[in-house]
Order: sequence, then C-alpha cells, then structure tokens
Amino acid sequence: DAGITQSPRHKVTETGTPVTLRCHQTENHRYMYWYRQDPGHGLRLIHYSYGVKDTDKGEVSDGYSVSRSKTEDFLLTLESATSSQTSVYFCAISEGSGPSYEQYFGPGTRLTVT
Amino acid sequence: GNSVTQMEGPVTLSEEAFLTINCTYTATGYPSLFWYVQYPGEGLQLLLKATKADDKGSNKGFEATYRKETTSFHLEKGSVQVSDSAVYFCALSDEYAGSARQLTFGSGTQLTVLP
Repeated sequence: DAGITQSPRHKVTETGTPVTLRCHQTENHRYMYWYRQDPGHGLRLIHYSYGVKDTDKGEVSDGYSVSRSKTEDFLLTLESATSSQTSVYFCAISEGSGPSYEQYFGPGTRLTVT
Repeated sequence: GNSVTQMEGPVTLSEEAFLTINCTYTATGYPSLFWYVQYPGEGLQLLLKATKADDKGSNKGFEATYRKETTSFHLEKGSVQVSDSAVYFCALSDEYAGSARQLTFGSGTQLTVLP
C-alpha cells in the first residue's frame, strides 16, 4: 500500500456546482498528480505538483484547478462542474522524477455530474 | 508528441493459456516504459517497468522487453490464471518535462481468464 487516500470515493453533483476532490498521502513524496480515466482514453494527466505551492498543467487541465498548501494534500477543484467531467479521478504520487521512480496510484473517486 | 497504442480488447483466454498484449509507442526522446494493472474497483498498480533499450521487466510471471528498434513493449505471460483478470495499461514516461516526469497511457486492454 502506497499510503494514498482519496475523498470522497463517490460523488454525484449537479451541473454548475463547484466540486473539490482531495488526495492525501502519508509518504511525504514530493510529486503528486491528478489523472482522469475515461473509456477508450486510458488515463490523462490533469495537473501535477512538484512541491508545496508548485503546480503545473497537464494534458486536460481546462475547467480544473489545483492547490497544494501541504506536502501531504493535493486538492482538485472543478469550479463549475459539467457533464463532460463525469469520470473516475485518480491521484498518484512519486518520490522523484527520474526514470527509476514509478508513480503510485490512489483508489480513485468516481464523479458523476448530472 | 508522445503516444502509446495498445491492442484493443477485450481479450478472453482459458486458464493456463499464453498471453500477449501488444504495445507500441511514439516518443521524441528516450522514455521509460511501464505496464500497470487495474483490478476491478481499484487504482492502478505497477506491474513492471524498463528504463532503457533491451531491458526486460518482469514480475509475477509477466515479462516485457523494451525494443527500441520496433518501438514496442509487449506484455507476455506463459500461463495465465483466473486471478490475472484485469485491465492492463501500457505507459511511457516522458523525458524530464518541467519539474515532473509525466506518464502517457495507452487506452487499456481488458483481460478475462476463464476457468
């Protein structure tokens, strides 16, 4: 177990409402990532963080923002949820960014936007 | 940009059959290559990896060899079990991009093993 928890695990929300997903790690790893998983697309990177208050955009960042005020927590916010953001969201962590460092994934959050 | 192409599923095999899941990639640099496995209702787990050409990753009876000349990283197992039923993802790790190493995933291959 990589010591990653995600909350909530399931959420149903209405179009236009804000939603925040939380990723919490106990490993004190520097790098954290948010992905979304959709059928036929594998996982696609939304945002990542390389330290407290240091974040950057991934491949599918439109409509999402992130924050990292503590090493252990990485928050993903949908400012105004849309039906296209219905997906399963995975957080991942990594100790480093070299080739020997793999990413470890949390259990996922299933988000449904109605 | 980088991309990963996996054979489409679903793949259905009988127990003890030989498994191959094809994976090819496109990358501008010298990526590291990974296979992840996702069991129902769970997150992804790293199955094996290879960080340079001709490296062979192996774990739990699964193997994959990094072939630079064919840009491939095919997953194989000699004798599958029912417990191997899962979705398998091939992925590559971008060269150092910004301050983090990002993973590019294939679309996943669903494997079902029948007793």
